[in-house]
Amino acid sequence: EVQLLESGGGLVQPGGSLRLSCAASTFTFSSYAMSWVRQAPGKGLEWVSAISGSGGSTYYADSVKGRFTISRDNSKNTLYLQMSSLRAEDTAIYYCANTPIPYFAYYFDYWGQGTLVTVSS
Amino acid sequence: QSALTQPASVSGSPGQSITISCTGTSSDVGGYNYVSWYQQHPGKAPKLMIYDVSNRPSGVSDRFSGSKSGNTASLTISGLQAEDEADYYCSSYTSSSTEVFGTGTKVTVL
Repeated sequence: EVQLLESGGGLVQPGGSLRLSCAASTFTFSSYAMSWVRQAPGKGLEWVSAISGSGGSTYYADSVKGRFTISRDNSKNTLYLQMSSLRAEDTAIYYCANTPIPYFAYYFDYWGQGTLVTVSS
Repeated sequence: QSALTQPASVSGSPGQSITISCTGTSSDVGGYNYVSWYQQHPGKAPKLMIYDVSNRPSGVSDRFSGSKSGNTASLTISGLQAEDEADYYCSSYTSSSTEVFGTGTKVTVL
């Protein structure tokens, strides 16, 4: 069964940085586009970023462009999200999700359990 | 990119059918056959229910079906069951090469 395990969440001050990781297993990682989706407490889902299977193409929501960087290490089957200049409105559960298409995440097939990021002083 | 518009809540009795709408624009829902639907129970991760407008992943009940007309996509749940009570979100690819989710719909089984 597909497994996606996020880590790296926690409490960070406004303006600070954090790196999230998503360890994947039981599927051919490099053949899948990967995404980050977040959900603020009590709110709906918000797409954050996506990356192609090769890592050569990246995509971002306007709300995080210039502050977040998505990357992947296909040799380690791991997806990353480097977050900087964090704001209170970035507080959310961050989910990673996979898509069985290598070039773009047109939908989100399997999801991890999420990791909570809290931005507060 | 503005969120797609969904009704805040929909309810139905067991055995009934309900339909959730998801309205966007020609730059997202209306422009591509890349609409998907997700079910989320409280405290759980979302689960894919429909992709590419009307395709069901393996393991998803055939009581769930999807369709699209113009800028509005729809998810229909037939033979409503207690376990279907959850939040439902649509999502669409956009002309900006991004994804956008809907506002979410709470389904209540009466």
